[in-house]
Amino acid sequence: GEDVEQSLFLSVREGDSSVINCTYTDSSSTYLYWYKQEPGAGLQLLTYIFSNMDMKQDQRLTVLLNKKDKHLSLRIADTQTGDSAIYFCAGLTGTASKLTFGTGTRLQVTL
Amino acid sequence: GAVVSQHPSRVICKSGTSVKIECRSLDFQATTMFWYRQFPKKSLMLMATSNEGSKATYEQGVEKDKFLINHASLTLSTLTVTSAHPEDSSFYICSAIGQGQSYNSPLHFGNGTRLTVT
Repeated sequence: GEDVEQSLFLSVREGDSSVINCTYTDSSSTYLYWYKQEPGAGLQLLTYIFSNMDMKQDQRLTVLLNKKDKHLSLRIADTQTGDSAIYFCAGLTGTASKLTFGTGTRLQVTL
Repeated sequence: GAVVSQHPSRVICKSGTSVKIECRSLDFQATTMFWYRQFPKKSLMLMATSNEGSKATYEQGVEKDKFLINHASLTLSTLTVTSAHPEDSSFYICSAIGQGQSYNSPLHFGNGTRLTVT
């Protein structure tokens, strides 16, 4: 099956940019997603990118996809304290039941 | 947007008892619902996929007699943890796909249920 890896922790100062990285093994992933999870809550879809795209921008969020290196990143511009959460990347291979989540990156935003 | 509601958000039960968790799609009809389990500081693990009116499909290693799933209507799926033990303590999250959505549509997730078995 697919493996999806993320670094466990990232700390940034308020106002700086955050970059959360994700690597995956299955090159046949059709869609790649970023989800946000606040403490004790479910997952909130932030954005997603189709595998034939290199970049997608949505307000403060920029997703970069390097298919050659199987690397996905999420950049959050002007990071705010409300962005503190765990961020999961997920890859879809086939049907929705084959959605594989990364290990999650805890983003801590300091003042 | 599509809203998925889970109930209860937290439950504490004694070892040996059964607990039922509900997952409802509030503003759409969910043909397929998914149940995930999240261990502390770990990723989400898909437990099973349920389609309305049919038996759930369980992932390898998930005990179907332990985790009973019922998807009786297009807006409700339930997960019953039977004869719960402390090792069943976890965060359970459901998600749903609406009728007419393509297979690659982003999943909408409930807020999860924190189960603690004492």
